Amino acid sequence: KQEVTQIPAALSVPEGENLVLNCSFTDSAIYNLQWFRQDPGKGLTSLLLIQSSQREQTSGRLNASLDKSSGRSTLYIAASQPGDSATYLCAVNEGGATNKLIFGTGTLLAVQP
Amino acid sequence: GAVVSQHPSWVICKSGTSVKIECRSLDFQATTMFWYRQFPKQSLMLMATSNEGSKATYEQGVEKDKFLINHASLTLSTLTVTSAHPEDSSFYICSALKGTRSTDTQYFGPGTRLTVL
Repeated sequence: KQEVTQIPAALSVPEGENLVLNCSFTDSAIYNLQWFRQDPGKGLTSLLLIQSSQREQTSGRLNASLDKSSGRSTLYIAASQPGDSATYLCAVNEGGATNKLIFGTGTLLAVQP
Repeated sequence: GAVVSQHPSWVICKSGTSVKIECRSLDFQATTMFWYRQFPKQSLMLMATSNEGSKATYEQGVEKDKFLINHASLTLSTLTVTSAHPEDSSFYICSALKGTRSTDTQYFGPGTRLTVL
């Protein structure tokens, strides 16, 4: 059974710092991995999607990497801003006939001004 | 675009009543939709996969008779929480699959906050 874990559970950094969020999964047979942002009481905003054949994806100040064989992904946020404060979730797509997403435990990020 | 809406955004009900939550894909057709539940400070847990024109597939531990799912059209899926109890209070989020392949993207609704008194 696929299990997705995120470390750390919570992180507080001063504005301007670069930071790394970690995601690990137990079964490397995935189709893709996605990073989401969730603001309090809100739905999900997709940030980056990495296909299983890819190593990384970039969007603006965000860079996500994927090492499928070791079951790990990282989300790098450059020059963090207070507006980046949110919960960040990673999710693996097991593919096949189901297209199910298995979500990680989340990292609550607070960027202090 | 790919926009998914949910209605209502929040609902408060008395214990024992039933509550229906709607999930709509506004600008695309979705053969498959998903329903998730999120308890406070926890991650999303998949409850069921909703397929248009057929029965939903429920995850292990989710009571199909309590959480009724209907996917009657390519743009609408509904989740009915029957005989709701306080332990059903949660944040319910739906997503809609744009496409039919495993690598296609799910687009998420804004969520529905259910509080059962």
